[in-house]
Amino acid sequence: KQEVTQIPAALSVPEGENLVLNCSFTDSAIYNLQWFRQDPGKGLTSLLLIQSSQREQTSGRLNASLDKSSGRSTLYIAASQPGDSATYLCAVTPWGTGGFKTIFGAGTRLFVKA
Amino acid sequence: ETGVTQTPRHLVMGMTNKKSLKCEQHLGHNAMYWYKQSAKKPLELMFVYSLEERVENNSVPSRFSPECPNSSHLFLHLHTLQPEDSALYLCASSQRKVSGNEQFFGPGTRLTVL
Repeated sequence: KQEVTQIPAALSVPEGENLVLNCSFTDSAIYNLQWFRQDPGKGLTSLLLIQSSQREQTSGRLNASLDKSSGRSTLYIAASQPGDSATYLCAVTPWGTGGFKTIFGAGTRLFVKA
Repeated sequence: ETGVTQTPRHLVMGMTNKKSLKCEQHLGHNAMYWYKQSAKKPLELMFVYSLEERVENNSVPSRFSPECPNSSHLFLHLHTLQPEDSALYLCASSQRKVSGNEQFFGPGTRLTVL
């Protein structure tokens, strides 16, 4: 059974710092891995999607990597800003589910101090 | 704006009430999802519809009844709910692909069951 774990559960950093959020999954047979951002009480915003054949994706100050063999992904945020404060969720879509059954981690709550 | 809208945004209901949540996507996608997000728990997939056919029912109690009349609309009918059903209910949509689906989420409906 696929399980997704995110470490740390919470993180507080000063503005301007580069930071790394970690995601691990137990079964490497996945279609893709997706990183989301969620502001309090709101829906999820898709940040980056990495297909199983890819190693990384970049969007602006965000870079996500995928290492299927070790079951790990990292989300790198450069030059963090107070507006980056949110919960970051990692999700994988396992093989054999028709591409529909996405499994989410519990998230990392990030607070960037001005 | 992600192209996925949900109404109502907030709902308070008694245990004997019947209500419905509505989701509409304007992205031309062919798959739609209902998720439940409870405090301190990861997102839980409830239902998936692909081409208006239910393809996933993740052991959800029968007091939750989904309906997908067409590829743009998804409903979640609620009846005789319990207080533990209070949560944020999120709708998502995606375009089904062989390589898996990038999901786009609505803002959610905050449900409180008294």
